Amino acid sequence: DTGVSQDPRHKITKRGQNVTFRCDPISEHNRLYWYRQTLGQGPEFLTYFQNEAQLEKSRLLSDRFSAERPKGSFSTLEIQRTEQGDSAMYLCASLGQRDEQYFGPGTRLTVT
Amino acid sequence: SQQGEEDPQALSIQEGENATMNCSYKTSINNLQWYRQNSGRGLVHLILIRSNEREKHSGRLRVTLDTSKKSSSLLITASRAADTASYFCATDGIAAGGSYIPTFGRGTSLIVHP
Repeated sequence: DTGVSQDPRHKITKRGQNVTFRCDPISEHNRLYWYRQTLGQGPEFLTYFQNEAQLEKSRLLSDRFSAERPKGSFSTLEIQRTEQGDSAMYLCASLGQRDEQYFGPGTRLTVT
Repeated sequence: SQQGEEDPQALSIQEGENATMNCSYKTSINNLQWYRQNSGRGLVHLILIRSNEREKHSGRLRVTLDTSKKSSSLLITASRAADTASYFCATDGIAAGGSYIPTFGRGTSLIVHP
């Protein structure tokens, strides 16, 4: 257990539905990252926050993806109008003081 | 796009043997990190090496960095069955809109047979 939690761990949804994932980072970590990982690939960067500020979002996969971190603590990632191609593991990580990332266990999304 | 690329893609060894995996990258970096991922789980940070360092050790792990060749290697000595996992290198060298973002390779899948 790295101290980063994600909820839910698994999500099955029908195509066209909206889904929201939550990430709770280690409390003293200011920076939070979101990634997507598909089978046989490494994590693919999506976006990151420094406290509540979203500093990079150009890598979000489409305008159906959005993320928030309203109070600089937990963060949410929302996917609207899900497509089958969105099926993947969604990971979040928070950044430690020595630039190491602490990953959560991930949310596995299946779009049917 | 993938900044780091691990080699080999898959490695199968016997317990007690050493495992070496390599990572190549394309642009200048501030640091390079190695992570382990057990099947279906999140990633675990193993070791970080900064661009001004050439070698680091942590327990049975040894990491080298050659910035002139833009490559790194991870050596696991005296491997154990519990080392079976995927190993990823990650760099921070790609700037997007002025931000340096972490970029992971596709990983090396290591199987250690008891």
